[in-house]
Amino acid sequence: GAGVSQSPRYKVTKRGQDVALRCDPISGHVSLYWYRQALGQGPEFLTYFNYEAQQDKSGLPNDRFSAERPEGSISTLTIQRTEQRDSAMYRCASSLVALAGSNNEQFFGPGTRLTVL
Amino acid sequence: SQQGEEDPQALSIQEGENATMNCSYKTSINNLQWYRQNSGRGLVHLILIRSNEREKHSGRLRVTLDTSKKSSSLLITASRAADTASYFCATDAEGNNNDMRFGAGTRLTVKP
Repeated sequence: GAGVSQSPRYKVTKRGQDVALRCDPISGHVSLYWYRQALGQGPEFLTYFNYEAQQDKSGLPNDRFSAERPEGSISTLTIQRTEQRDSAMYRCASSLVALAGSNNEQFFGPGTRLTVL
Repeated sequence: SQQGEEDPQALSIQEGENATMNCSYKTSINNLQWYRQNSGRGLVHLILIRSNEREKHSGRLRVTLDTSKKSSSLLITASRAADTASYFCATDAEGNNNDMRFGAGTRLTVKP
């Protein structure tokens, strides 16, 4: 079956513009996660959802970043008034289960490479 | 913020040798996972070890976990050039839900 998909794969924008990054998780997966990955670094947690509820947004860098998952499936990460330091690979992952301590293997999408000029 | 720290940052070995990578973390965990990432690609789940397990095997992979030292190791035996990738450990902290924290990774290069 299809894995996690993200769109666009590449996004180049000018500083000050808003961007919306989309994640389409594996069908039936309860949990959806957003990460940001700088070159040569591991993924940095941003936020995650169980169904449509945002469980933890402690990793969002500031209030220009927001995410939603209104119907418990597709999610959108929005960055308002982008800045050059927002340039990174933004990765989405989904997992089947939502229980703490369970086998919550996360399946990652290909990422969206965001470049802010 | 990142929870895990991998060591070494980079490792270069010859094909056929074993590769050992270590991960340390800070808080109590439910489980620890190892992921692989080929250059510029997505992350692939390798193995999960629960906090009550000490060792786990999967093919050429062997993972150990020492919760008293808050550390884990990933051993790849009989390495192949195709094992060249970055390897990350990720932990979900005890008491939290599913959000995981990744380390900065170990860049493994296996020379043919």
